[in-house]
Amino acid sequence: AQRVTQPEKLLSVFKGAPVELKCNYSYSGSPELFWYVQYSRQRLQLLLRHISRESIKGFTADLNKGETSFHLKKPFAQEEDSAMYYCALIPSGTYKYIFGTGTRLKVLA
Amino acid sequence: DVKVTQSSRYLVKRTGEKVFLECVQDMDHENMFWYRQDPGLGLRLIYFSYDVKMKEKGDIPEGYSVSREKKERFSLILESASTNQTSMYLCASTIGGGNTEAFFGQGTRLTVV
Repeated sequence: AQRVTQPEKLLSVFKGAPVELKCNYSYSGSPELFWYVQYSRQRLQLLLRHISRESIKGFTADLNKGETSFHLKKPFAQEEDSAMYYCALIPSGTYKYIFGTGTRLKVLA
Repeated sequence: DVKVTQSSRYLVKRTGEKVFLECVQDMDHENMFWYRQDPGLGLRLIYFSYDVKMKEKGDIPEGYSVSREKKERFSLILESASTNQTSMYLCASTIGGGNTEAFFGQGTRLTVV
C-alpha cells in the first residue's frame, strides 16, 4: 500500500541546532515528493519538492530511493521555523496527494 | 496569488443537520480536493474532482458527498452530521497537467454537537 510515514509527532530543538524531520514512504514506483508547512494561524503551503532540488528558507530534502526516504534538513534552526510539517507524495500518473501524519517542530529560544 | 477561499472559518452544527462547506478558487484550477485534518492522523482525502461535475471518492468518503457545478466552486456536504465529523476541513486545488503544487484554503473548523 502507498504510505507516507513521519515517525515523530513532535520534535523540539534549540535555536541554532540542526534539524532533521524524518519521512519514509512506501511506493514501488517513482513518486513525486513534497514537504508542506503550516505556520500558526496560516494555511498549509508548499515548502519544497524533490524535483526542483532547491533550498527554501534554508531547508533541503534529498530523495533516497534506496531507503525510500525524503528527510527534511536545516543546519541551524530558527524560532520562526516552528510549525507543522507534512511530508507527501504523489504516485506517478496521478494527481492525488498522500500525506503523512505530520511532525510539529518547536524551536526553543 | 492563487486564492482558495472557504466560506466559513468556524461552524457549529447539531447532530443530524445537513451541512454545506463551500470552497472557491480563483485561478481556473482543474483539480479540487477536500481533506480532513485531525491531530495524529494528518490529512485524509475525502473527495476530489478533476473537472466540472466529475468527482471521485478519496480514502474516507463515508458520510460525505460533494458537488462541483462550476469549475471554481467545490462543495462538501455532510448529509447528516455526526459528532465524529467534528474536525478541521481543508479545501485545496491544483492547476492540473504537470503542475502538482497544491494551494490550500484557510480551513473550516466544524464542531458537531
